[in-house]
Amino acid sequence: GDSVTQMEGPVTLSEEAFLTINCTYTATGYPSLFWYVQYPGEGLQLLLKATKADDKGSNKGFEATYRKETTSFHLEKGSVQVSDSAVYFCALTPISSGSARQLTFGSGTQLTVLP
Amino acid sequence: KAGVTQTPRYLIKTRGQQVTLSCSPISGHRSVSWYQQTPGQGLQFLFEYFSETQRNKGNFPGRFSGRQFSNSRSEMNVSTLELGDSALYLCASSLRGDSNQPQHFGDGTRLSIL
Repeated sequence: GDSVTQMEGPVTLSEEAFLTINCTYTATGYPSLFWYVQYPGEGLQLLLKATKADDKGSNKGFEATYRKETTSFHLEKGSVQVSDSAVYFCALTPISSGSARQLTFGSGTQLTVLP
Repeated sequence: KAGVTQTPRYLIKTRGQQVTLSCSPISGHRSVSWYQQTPGQGLQFLFEYFSETQRNKGNFPGRFSGRQFSNSRSEMNVSTLELGDSALYLCASSLRGDSNQPQHFGDGTRLSIL
C-alpha cells in the first residue's frame, strides 16, 4: 500500500538557520503530495501542495519540489523563525479512477526553533 | 469564510460508553473525512463521506461509524469505548474530494477514556 517516510525528529535549530525535512513516498502512479503543519492544541493546516512531477509548492517561505525520480518531497526554508516551531507532516493522496481518496501521512517531524 | 468546526473540543468518557462527535465543513464543501491521531499510531484515516454516502473506510473496527447529512455536516460515533480510543479526532473537508484538492482540517475533538 501507499506509505510516507519522514525524517525522524525532533529537529532543533537556531533562528535564521536553514531547514530541511526529508520526505519520501511509496505509491502507485502519480499521487498528489502535501505538507501540513500542526501547532500545539490545533488541527492541521495545509502548508503547501504539489500535484504532478517537478511541481514546486511554496508558501510562507517554505518550498518543496515533487521529485518523481527519487519519490521525494523534501520541505525547505531558508531562514526559520521561532514562530515556525510546530510539527510538520508530509502526506499523499493516491490517484484513483474514482474520486474517493484518503490522506496517508508520515509520522511527523517536531521542529523547535530557538531564539 | 468560516473554517471546519468540530464540537465538542474535549470529551471525557468511561469504558463501555458511546460517544458522538460532530463536524461542520467549510460552506460548499461536500466531502468530509475523519482521522484519528494518537502518539503511537500517528494519523490514521477513518472514513470519508460525500453526498451522504460513505465512499471509503479505513482499517478500524465496526465500533467506529459515521454519517453525513444533506447539509454536508457529519457525525462520527464510537460505541463500547475502550481505553485505546483515547485520541484526537480530526475532521477534514474538501470541495469534491478529488485527489488533488487539499483537505482543510478542524481543530479536532480530544477524547479521553477513563
